[in-house]
Amino acid sequence: DAKTTQPTSMDCAEGRAANLPCNHSTISGNEYVYWYRQIHSQGPQYIIHGLKNNETNEMASLIITEDRKSSTLILPHATLRDTAVYYCIVRVIIGNKLTFGGGTRVLVKP
Amino acid sequence: GAVVSQHPSRVICKSGTSVKIECRSLDFQATTMFWYRQFPKQSLMLMATSNEGSKATYEQGVEKDKFLINHASLTLSTLTVTSAHPEDSSFYICSAGAEGTANEKLFFGSGTQLSVL
Repeated sequence: DAKTTQPTSMDCAEGRAANLPCNHSTISGNEYVYWYRQIHSQGPQYIIHGLKNNETNEMASLIITEDRKSSTLILPHATLRDTAVYYCIVRVIIGNKLTFGGGTRVLVKP
Repeated sequence: GAVVSQHPSRVICKSGTSVKIECRSLDFQATTMFWYRQFPKQSLMLMATSNEGSKATYEQGVEKDKFLINHASLTLSTLTVTSAHPEDSSFYICSAGAEGTANEKLFFGSGTQLSVL
């Protein structure tokens, strides 16, 4: 059963910020929100994860709503190399598996 | 980040043969590794969880006798597709969690494209 809901696809302009939404209305208190991306014919790449607070790293920012029922991944300045499928996953840490949903197919256009 | 090496990246074999795929954690120890399968234009589907020194745990619908998993050390897990058939053609991906980080981040190999003729 999918625990997250994401748009199937979205386009964004090169150099602009890309905001990727994710709904996880049934998230449990001990589940984290993870984001991975998969560029064509490669293994998924870790982007960022968080529990309650907003997080930022060199790749992206993660904004989690106060009720934790949704989140947004922000790519601050999208480049053509950011074209990929982005997966939002909820997961309990401590040895637990990652269950992938359909993801969002992001196309960055010049 | 940590590196997970997967080999081979691509393999073509005849129907009925067996194919072994290796997954290595290069700079960390992984007590748990996960094997996924991905068909074209679909998401990753978890096949099994590989635990060092014990039997793998398979997801429902995955044949354990067809997809043999061995996790003999903290840095190596192998997946053997036995008696491969064309319907086994797929992209196989492994992932591993870094020991000591409570699997906080799972790192993925680059995948193996299996084509069975």
